[in-house]
Amino acid sequence: GIQVEQSPPDLILQEGANSTLRCNFSDSVNNLQWFHQNPWGQLINLFYIPSGTKQNGRLSATTVATERYSLLYISSSQTTDSGVYFCAVLIQGAQKLVFGQGTRLTINP
Amino acid sequence: EADIYQTPRYLVIGTGKKITLECSQTMGHDKMYWYQQDPGMELHLIHYSYGVNSTEKGDLSSESTVSRIRTEHFPLTLESARPSHTSQYLCASTQGIGNYEQYFGPGTRLTVT
Repeated sequence: GIQVEQSPPDLILQEGANSTLRCNFSDSVNNLQWFHQNPWGQLINLFYIPSGTKQNGRLSATTVATERYSLLYISSSQTTDSGVYFCAVLIQGAQKLVFGQGTRLTINP
Repeated sequence: EADIYQTPRYLVIGTGKKITLECSQTMGHDKMYWYQQDPGMELHLIHYSYGVNSTEKGDLSSESTVSRIRTEHFPLTLESARPSHTSQYLCASTQGIGNYEQYFGPGTRLTVT
């Protein structure tokens, strides 16, 4: 089956720093989503981005489908950005999302 | 904003009890999913449904069962809870036609003592 790998597994930064999270996938996809899981366990939709670039405030994401990777950029990090970031893909012809293992981001004040 | 709800949010229950975790969505989505997740770890699909009277087992074997008799409602039942069932359970839905974005409920954190 499809493999979804996220890197780095853990990232610790000071408030105000920028960060880049990466998601590699092993097959063609027709959906890619980025989620932020907050300390209460809720998964927040960040981006639905099967291809191209999107921006939402301090966050932006780019998916290069032909090279099978996606990047999530967080600028001017805040402590509320802490949590686990998941990438998930839906392969062509399937109906189920496959999740990566997540990147745990810690932003220190 | 996604309109998908789960109850209860937290549940502590003794071994052997029967429990039902509720999930409802008001978006008219045909496709619904249940995931199991240990805190901060990878999500595992345990059940899914493509519409009324359709249910399938997911990638992770689970002793739970589901039903789908109404489009908006997708409850998950454990007939006899055990400590190994302690986990977070997340429900999700998607339109699935032309737009595959999946939306998640707030989750139910289950502890079986």
